[in-house]
Amino acid sequence: QLQLQESGPGLVKPSETLSLTCTVSGGSISSSSYYWGWIRQPPGKGLEYIGSIYYSGSTYYNPSLKSRVTISVDTSKNQFSLKLSSVTAADTAVYYCARQDGAIVGAGRRYWGQGTLVTVSS
Amino acid sequence: NFMLTQPHSVSESPGKTVTISCTRSSGSIASNYVQWYQQRPGSSPTTVIYEDNQRPSGVPDRFSGSIDSSSNSASLTISGLKTEDEADYYCQSYDSSNQVFGGGTKLTVL
Repeated sequence: QLQLQESGPGLVKPSETLSLTCTVSGGSISSSSYYWGWIRQPPGKGLEYIGSIYYSGSTYYNPSLKSRVTISVDTSKNQFSLKLSSVTAADTAVYYCARQDGAIVGAGRRYWGQGTLVTVSS
Repeated sequence: NFMLTQPHSVSESPGKTVTISCTRSSGSIASNYVQWYQQRPGSSPTTVIYEDNQRPSGVPDRFSGSIDSSSNSASLTISGLKTEDEADYYCQSYDSSNQVFGGGTKLTVL
């Protein structure tokens, strides 16, 4: 059974870089036709797409965040990671990692991690 | 870029049927698949419909999805409402440059 687990600091200072890791169990991150991605949800608000990475290494980012986001994969650890630079209080949110199954980025069933709250504050 | 607009809230009684709409602001709703997610309070979202009208295994057939090109919108219909269906529902679609979520609809079953 597929499981995704986010990990990383729960508190990040303004202007610093937010770093999160998603550990995948019950499936290989190297398998084809899967998009591994990050979505966030500010407290009490809706969902926002951050970006995705394909098993081949191709990346797709939300244009509004693209200049600050990097998503990468570590196949040896069956993990993928998110880095978001120059954070502000507006980046405070629950961050979810997810796998989307399908041939097209943005389409298909999405499996979600449990989410992790990251607060940006000094 | 485009937006997906959902009603802020809907309410209906147990046993009834409710439909939640998701209207695309630009570009054809039929050109890119629509997904629907359910998020119960304090929980992660789960997929209830993918690729417009496909239901994942384990999701009851009371949930169905459809596309209406004339109104450029997608709809999630839940029949035989149960109190456990009370949740936030989000639509999601994409284009060549981004993925977009609707603002979410709070479903109250009372």
